Amino acid sequence: GEDVEQSLFLSVREGDSSVINCTYTDSSSTYLYWYKQEPGAGLQLLTYIFSNMDMKQDQRLTVLLNKKDKHLSLRIADTQTGDSAIYFCAESVLSDSWGKLQFGAGTQVVVTP
Amino acid sequence: DGGITQSPKYLFRKEGQNVTLSCEQNLNHDAMYWYRQDPGQGLRLIYYSQIVNDFQKGDIAEGYSVSREKKESFPLTVTSAQKNPTAFYLCASTTGLGTGELFFGEGSRLTVL
Repeated sequence: GEDVEQSLFLSVREGDSSVINCTYTDSSSTYLYWYKQEPGAGLQLLTYIFSNMDMKQDQRLTVLLNKKDKHLSLRIADTQTGDSAIYFCAESVLSDSWGKLQFGAGTQVVVTP
Repeated sequence: DGGITQSPKYLFRKEGQNVTLSCEQNLNHDAMYWYRQDPGQGLRLIYYSQIVNDFQKGDIAEGYSVSREKKESFPLTVTSAQKNPTAFYLCASTTGLGTGELFFGEGSRLTVL
């Protein structure tokens, strides 16, 4: 199974907040990332958090990290139709080769008017 | 503008044929990666290369081959030995420094007829 787990689908109304959750298994992860993929396109980095941080805020995005529970979340405030996409959680491990990220299956976010 | 260029974006192949997907980057990144994406699954690593003339197998290398003759280029060949080659293929690169962020190309969709 996946080392990084995410729920597969989230529906949210425009203007509401979205929360996407992720669990990971490797306690030695150094960086955790959130990527966004629009249809038929590559992945774009949205934000990342270093493993010694609990929270990171970047405009409408808030990342929360609970190392004890190995739980990562991404909150998108004031969700817009342009936020409809697949969101991937990923982790990198210090002991592993750099750049070899472990990805979750992705959460499809659908924003309805 | 710096970036990663994948070509072709769409490719159709008959069973039994080999096909090569191109990936070129002008970001001066040392490391390059090939991932495969299937619906409802995360990205799975096929091959990666951290320096010229050297590459390593990822998690699903069987039926694929790569070369890294130049820093800028990392082509992927999908051989006839690959049992289920229809997928979306993503190329990525990174400096290997700092946050380890991966930069992705726009992807190539391969369909076997």
